[in-house]
Amino acid sequence: SYGLTQPLSVSVALGQTAIVSCEGNNLGTKNVNWYQQKPGQAPVLALFRNDIRPSGIPERLSGSKSGNTATLTITSAQDGDEADYFCQVWDSSTGVFGGGTKVTV
Amino acid sequence: QVQLQQWGAGLLKPSETLSLTCAVSGGSFSGFFWSWIRQPPGKGLELIGQSGQINHSGSAYYNPSLKGRVTISLDTSKKRFSLTLRSVTAADTAVYYCARLSYCGEDCYAFDSWGQGNLVIVSS
Repeated sequence: SYGLTQPLSVSVALGQTAIVSCEGNNLGTKNVNWYQQKPGQAPVLALFRNDIRPSGIPERLSGSKSGNTATLTITSAQDGDEADYFCQVWDSSTGVFGGGTKVTV
Repeated sequence: QVQLQQWGAGLLKPSETLSLTCAVSGGSFSGFFWSWIRQPPGKGLELIGQSGQINHSGSAYYNPSLKGRVTISLDTSKKRFSLTLRSVTAADTAVYYCARLSYCGEDCYAFDSWGQGNLVIVSS
């Protein structure tokens, strides 16, 4: 089965930039979605199709992809960005999640 | 704005059957996959399965790791879908989420709406 690898944790100072990576075989050929999950809450779709923000998601969250690595970038990180972030792709007719990255501000 | 509201028993004994239901409001029931995802305490997200798309050909998908214990059923008249997981063990203890899986482009499907989650504990 397809696998996605994320770092367990990323720390960022308030107002600085955080980068969360997601690696997978042939990821360059897939569309990557990202979810934000704050403590005690359900996940929320933060980015879809690599870099598109749903309504209500702040502009400081952005996405990109290069080769087999997708990246979620949090620019000028705020306290409210402290959360777990999961990447996800569509493979073999189902959704596959990365293991998640805890972002600490 | 679509909303998903879920409910079901929160405490089970080993070998019992887990049953959860999710009601959809504020949006269409057709044209989407309806999914269940779980998250063991302190761990990541695991897709349990997804329904087939209503009004399209295609069958449900279930995570092979659940070894035939799971069924996802749809009630289109009530805009609800349900999860049944048989013969539970302590390893099935998790927060269970219902979610809508939506098409977002070629080879792109995203879970764009989620229920609030239900903690299910399996303990003797």
